[in-house]
Amino acid sequence: GAVVSQHPSWVICKSGTSVKIECRSLDFQATTMFWYRQFPKQSLMLMATSNEGSKATYEQGVEKDKFLINHASLTLSTLTVTSAHPEDSSFYICSATRGGDTEAFFGQGTRLTVV
Amino acid sequence: KQEVTQIPAALSVPEGENLVLNCSFTDSAIYNLQWFRQDPGKGLTSLLLIQSSQREQTSGRLNASLDKSSGRSTLYIAASQPGDSATYLCAPGGATNKLIFGTGTLLAVQP
Repeated sequence: GAVVSQHPSWVICKSGTSVKIECRSLDFQATTMFWYRQFPKQSLMLMATSNEGSKATYEQGVEKDKFLINHASLTLSTLTVTSAHPEDSSFYICSATRGGDTEAFFGQGTRLTVV
Repeated sequence: KQEVTQIPAALSVPEGENLVLNCSFTDSAIYNLQWFRQDPGKGLTSLLLIQSSQREQTSGRLNASLDKSSGRSTLYIAASQPGDSATYLCAPGGATNKLIFGTGTLLAVQP
């Protein structure tokens, strides 16, 4: 159990367009989901924390108007990169935790390339 | 602010060796610590989760220890295999379940 699925696994988009990435917990209800970004040869940096039915909490330096997060149900959170630019090209990974369980389960990541 | 350091940054060993990966963190007020494996271009696979009240966890050839007061954790890999080649990440977790990641140790096990 505890499978997190992320879609798409990779996407190429034109500069100025928006891209939506989905993160689903397949076999459990995720009370909290997290979004991370990873640049080449760097570690994962937390972008935001998302709780079902409430606004996401963004880390310092992350533009909330650019990275829109929606957590409409206990099994789905979405990250929309609005007006994407080449510098937004990165590897985006989500994770989810179950209620009362501190272990984090990660999706397989989404490689975003903005051209 | 939690800062996580992993040493060494890279490691290359012949198959069969036992090895130790080190992780240190600055804020000892953690709830748990997880070790992950990341293959190139892939997501993270959870290896071991140690709760703050525990000293170690074992899974197969992997053993992770935690010394919370000194801000250290080690991952011990016994009898390494080429399939163990990957980047290993440690991540202490706080009260809000946020994970702060280290920069990782890139492991290459030579056949």
